[in-house]
Formats: sequence, structure tokens, C-alpha cells
Amino acid sequence: DIQMTQSPSSLSASVGDRVTITCRASQTITTYLNWYQQKPGKAPELLIYKASSLQSGVPSRFSGSGSGTDFTLTISSLQPEDFATYYCQQGHSAPLTFGGGTKVDIK
Amino acid sequence: QVQLQESGPGLVKPSQTLSLTCSVSGGSISSGSHYWNWIRQPAGKGLEWLGRVYSRGSANYNPSLASRVIISVDTSMNQVSLNLLSVTAADTAVYYCARGGPGFSNWFDRWGQGTLVIVSS
Repeated sequence: DIQMTQSPSSLSASVGDRVTITCRASQTITTYLNWYQQKPGKAPELLIYKASSLQSGVPSRFSGSGSGTDFTLTISSLQPEDFATYYCQQGHSAPLTFGGGTKVDIK
Repeated sequence: QVQLQESGPGLVKPSQTLSLTCSVSGGSISSGSHYWNWIRQPAGKGLEWLGRVYSRGSANYNPSLASRVIISVDTSMNQVSLNLLSVTAADTAVYYCARGGPGFSNWFDRWGQGTLVIVSS
């Protein structure tokens, strides 16, 4: 199985901050990397697919980059509704696997 | 807009079978090229992919659960089902069904709201 490691596991930030979350795969996954946002008590929502493609309806302050084994999710200016947990997920090969999550909370 | 809704018992006894249904509305399971997936999340923990099925019935499972999980599709009812055999307390989780991306892509672009299943006697 491909192991996905996210860092940090949690971070505190203020509204307006630029936030970066990283995800590392245990082997190359080219650009088959997806990002999700999950709020408490809700299902995850797709933000970014194939490393850098913005899902329809997702604000442009979210962006993704990377290829191979190292990937980044960036929120350019954190908004109140962005406080949530973020997960990466590899879509390179089954079994599909997720990172452990990064919780973004208010500083 | 495609919507997914999970349903099934919220309490299952140890050693019994967990059975859930995902009802799809706003679109046909048979149309398009999507996988239909089951994913679970224990309280306070991360996400685990259980497996997926295509509308023609071909299924793939996570090897960690492959001997216990069965995912099937009923195109006439527009539903996807999950059966997890011989459950233990470790199977207590919120269970989500999720649609795979277009062209059999390995991302999840539509999710149900999730259903909590507790395994307890």
C-alpha cells in the first residue's frame, strides 16, 4: 500500500494568513493526489484533484502543487470558513489511501 | 445534482454482518463512467477506503478487509450496498458512500452525509 504522510498534524492560524500543508507519498504517485476539506460532523469535500486542478465551486484561494512524492496545499488568505481538517489522498493505485489529516484552527 | 444518502442499522452486534445501502438520486448509477465507493472514519480518526464497484458489478476491495467486505450495485434501484461480515468493535465508524470522479478517476467528488454504525452487544 502507498502510505501518505501529512504535516503538520495541526496548526493554528489567523484570518488572512497564508497556510501551507504538505503531503508526502511513500512512492511516486506522479500527480494522482487529491485534497479534501472536512468540517466537524460533515462529510469531506473535494478541493483539488490531480495535484493542482481546482474542483468546480471551490474558491480560488485554494491551490495545490507538486508531483512525484511531495505535494502542497496552499490557502492564500485564510477565511473563517476554512477552519477545518484537510486530508490528502492518493489516486495512483488501489488500495486508495489517505493522509492522517491536518487540523487548522484559530490562533 | 447527484446526491447520495446512506441508510442502515446504527447498531450491530459483534460477529454479525453490517449492511448499509447508498441511495443515489439526481442521476443514474448506470450513466457515466464512475466508481461508487465506500469509505469509513472511526470517531476522531482518519479516512479508510473500503472498496468500490462499477455499475456493471465489478468490485475492488481494500486488501485489509477483502475477506470480509462485499460491495454490490442494484441499478434498478439506483443503489449501492455494503456488507461487512463478522464485525468487531474496531468496525465502529461513520460510513460514507462516495462517487468517484469522471472517467473512472480515483478521487471522490460527491459524498453522502455519512451514517454512524456502532458495533456493540
